[in-house]
Amino acid sequence: DAKTTQPNSMESNEEEPVHLPCNHSTISGTDYIHWYRQLPSQGPEYVIHGLTSNVNNRMASLAIAEDRKSSTLILHRATLRDAAVYYCIPLLNTGGFKTIFGAGTRLFVKA
Amino acid sequence: DAGVIQSPRHEVTEMGQEVTLRCKPISGHNSLFWYRQTMMRGLELLIYFNNNVPIDDSGMPEDRFSAKMPNASFSTLKIQPSEPRDSAVYFCASRGQSITEAFFGQGTRLTVV
Repeated sequence: DAKTTQPNSMESNEEEPVHLPCNHSTISGTDYIHWYRQLPSQGPEYVIHGLTSNVNNRMASLAIAEDRKSSTLILHRATLRDAAVYYCIPLLNTGGFKTIFGAGTRLFVKA
Repeated sequence: DAGVIQSPRHEVTEMGQEVTLRCKPISGHNSLFWYRQTMMRGLELLIYFNNNVPIDDSGMPEDRFSAKMPNASFSTLKIQPSEPRDSAVYFCASRGQSITEAFFGQGTRLTVV
């Protein structure tokens, strides 16, 4: 399985942008990059995904490096509700696209 | 759509008893996942079904754990006999045909005493 490396934790001020990095150097060309987050006492929820191009949705933006060995989840204006654990997950074609979670990054947002 | 529905939300049982967790995936979804979450080990994938067929059960901890998906709208995860170390939050998730997001249920918090 592709390995991911994320910071254990990050801190942000409310209303400021947050850039959450992820290294996935062993990802292959047909593997998608998914991001999920888990709010306290809830199940994980999907945030965004991409393959090669940068992606935007109402929740966040995903910037994917040209060599696809890393990606960055961008929250444009962090709110207190964004405090959660964020998971970067390569969805492996050879793995049947099963979703395997690593340790993730715990994001703290200060008012 | 009601989303992925898990039952019960909380379960407290005595060591040695059989425990059955239930999951109703989102209608039309063809992939189903069972996960276990603990503080020590994080979110672990236990088993993955595609079109009701178990594709990968390599995450199932031992023979005490079994999972079934008799039809597209129902799955169970059974632990027999249960042990205190099985205490965790168990999540079920489902995903549609395209490679987009998986939707998670609210989880079942299992406590084995």
